[in-house]
Amino acid sequence: GIQVEQSPPDLILQEGANSTLRCNFSDSVNNLQWFHQNPWGQLINLFYIPSGTKQNGRLSATTVATERYSLLYISSSQTTDSGVYFCAVEPNFGNEKLTFGTGTRLTIIP
Amino acid sequence: GAVVSQHPSWVICKSGTSVKIECRSLDFQATTMFWYRQFPKQSLMLMATSNEGSKATYEQGVEKDKFLINHASLTLSTLTVTSAHPEDSSFYICSASERWVDTEAFFGQGTRLTVV
Repeated sequence: GIQVEQSPPDLILQEGANSTLRCNFSDSVNNLQWFHQNPWGQLINLFYIPSGTKQNGRLSATTVATERYSLLYISSSQTTDSGVYFCAVEPNFGNEKLTFGTGTRLTIIP
Repeated sequence: GAVVSQHPSWVICKSGTSVKIECRSLDFQATTMFWYRQFPKQSLMLMATSNEGSKATYEQGVEKDKFLINHASLTLSTLTVTSAHPEDSSFYICSASERWVDTEAFFGQGTRLTVV
């Protein structure tokens, strides 16, 4: 099946810093999503981005489908940004089944 | 975005008992829902696909007799963990999408199951 790797696995930053999270996948995809998992476990949808670039406030994401990677940018980090960030992909002909990446644990220090 | 609601948020049960978890799509109809499991500090793993009006399809290695899935209506799927054991303790979470819009998945709040 498709492989999804995220980097870095852990990231500790000072409040106000910027960060870039990466998601590499091994095959063509229909769907790619970025999620933030909060301390209670809930997955918050950040971006639905099978290709192209999107921005939402301090967050933006870019997916280069032909090169099989996606990037999530977080600017001016806040302590509430802490948590685990997952990318998840649906392979072509994947019938909506999502394969999750390994995750990046982000900790923002005041 | 679409709203998916899951209940209960957490449950503690004794070994050998069964636990039912509900997943509802609140503002759309979902012919397909998905169940995932997440162990501490790990990623989410797909367990099964819940199909309205037909049998669920399970991923390799997931015991269908242990994890019973029923999708009796277009807005409700249930996961029953039968004869639970401590190793079944985990975080279970469901998802669904408005397929006629796009394939963006929305997730329930998740259920933290502890078997004692």
